[in-house]
Amino acid sequence: EADIYQTPRYLVIGTGKKITLECSQTMGHDKMYWYQQDPGMELHLIHYSYGVNSTEKGDLSSESTVSRIRTEHFPLTLESARPSHTSQYLCASSALGPAGSSGNTIYFGEGSWLTVV
Amino acid sequence: QQPVQSPQAVILREGEDAVINCSSSKALYSVHWYRQKHGEAPVFLMILLKGGEQKGHEKISASFNEKKQQSSLYLTASQLSYSGTYFCGTPTAGNMLTFGGGTRLMVKP
Repeated sequence: EADIYQTPRYLVIGTGKKITLECSQTMGHDKMYWYQQDPGMELHLIHYSYGVNSTEKGDLSSESTVSRIRTEHFPLTLESARPSHTSQYLCASSALGPAGSSGNTIYFGEGSWLTVV
Repeated sequence: QQPVQSPQAVILREGEDAVINCSSSKALYSVHWYRQKHGEAPVFLMILLKGGEQKGHEKISASFNEKKQQSSLYLTASQLSYSGTYFCGTPTAGNMLTFGGGTRLMVKP
């Protein structure tokens, strides 16, 4: 059972507000990820990190930013939310393993549902 | 390069079998399978690490054909609890997993 936590689970905010989605894991995993997923749709990688002070943009361009100051913590921030940011955001983590190993197994948090009105 | 899943959607009656395929245009080192139930996060089902390997989880099993660069997920005697979206994931450069578009499975009584 994976231990990865996201807060808030559900959030409704007004356009232009700044928000931070929190993500923490207690497994000591080096790699962490943020995926964006619209209901019933694909998982799109928007940010990832190999470890402390490492952040990279994923396949899908996003106006959000991330930081990785501590191994266990990988928050995502939207400086000025817009209705187009309405979506589910899934945080995930995995151990640092080579491509052919079980170290790539990704464990997901329960997700943060963001609605921007 | 995103793996391709087929079919996109399946509707079954309880007790029926289904096969979900995942193929890649690039060489595969491993294939991961996840299931996501409606409104929940994806949950890891199994990983296949070498060609020809088959694994099982409940009555769900999978095979991995390294030469054909594909994997198949077999759902036998499906149960209502199998409903959800199934994603395959394959590693890309930088050891990131990229997911297929998903296969939506609905099991009806």
